[in-house]
Amino acid sequence: IVMTQSPATLSVSPGERATLSCRASQSVSANLAWYQQKPGQAPRLLIYGASTRATGVPARFSGSGSGTEFTLTISSLQSEDFALYSCQQYYNWPGTFGQGTKVEIK
Amino acid sequence: QVQLVQSGAEVKKPGASVKVSCKTSGYTFTRYDFNWVRQVTGQGLEWMGWMNPNTGKTGSSQKFEGRLTITKNTSESTVFMELSSLSSEDTAVYYCARAPLKGSSYFDYWGQGTLVTVSS
Repeated sequence: IVMTQSPATLSVSPGERATLSCRASQSVSANLAWYQQKPGQAPRLLIYGASTRATGVPARFSGSGSGTEFTLTISSLQSEDFALYSCQQYYNWPGTFGQGTKVEIK
Repeated sequence: QVQLVQSGAEVKKPGASVKVSCKTSGYTFTRYDFNWVRQVTGQGLEWMGWMNPNTGKTGSSQKFEGRLTITKNTSESTVFMELSSLSSEDTAVYYCARAPLKGSSYFDYWGQGTLVTVSS
């Protein structure tokens, strides 16, 4: 299953909303996870099951979608949210990742 | 708390092998599967292989079959990833990651990553 993320880069001002998209080449039901990755760090699990926040993840992060279309929304960007975001399907083994969306400061 | 701590950076020559360790703590080692994921600079995450530390069963991506070996030391709660016949295309950061689901899963805890550089 090929995962396609858009846009590749998203320029957003602090305090604004960011909307990231992830599309699967075939249905993955709700078996979709989102990760945040900062330079030099490992990925951090944000969302699993398409919409369930992982432990300790702030409420400004929300996930939605099912089937082939998914969205990660950051309601009000904080300085620590500027990072690379990747989606992963785990409907089919092994899970496959998208190429990522870089969220940068506008 | 759950921790996955990987071994340090490696520099290898083409054709050599590299072995990366992932030491776990904070939970029952045999309860969760492990996966190895790599990331070439500027590219996305790429799944390589997995191990069930309870049964010792392993599997790998077709891309790495014959080159990837995953082993464990249960007494030390540590998983190892060995990649052989290295080429410059294997230069990447390698991560171990814990899978909370059996079979296909997302990854809830990750090691800090190990940079492997392949250069003559």
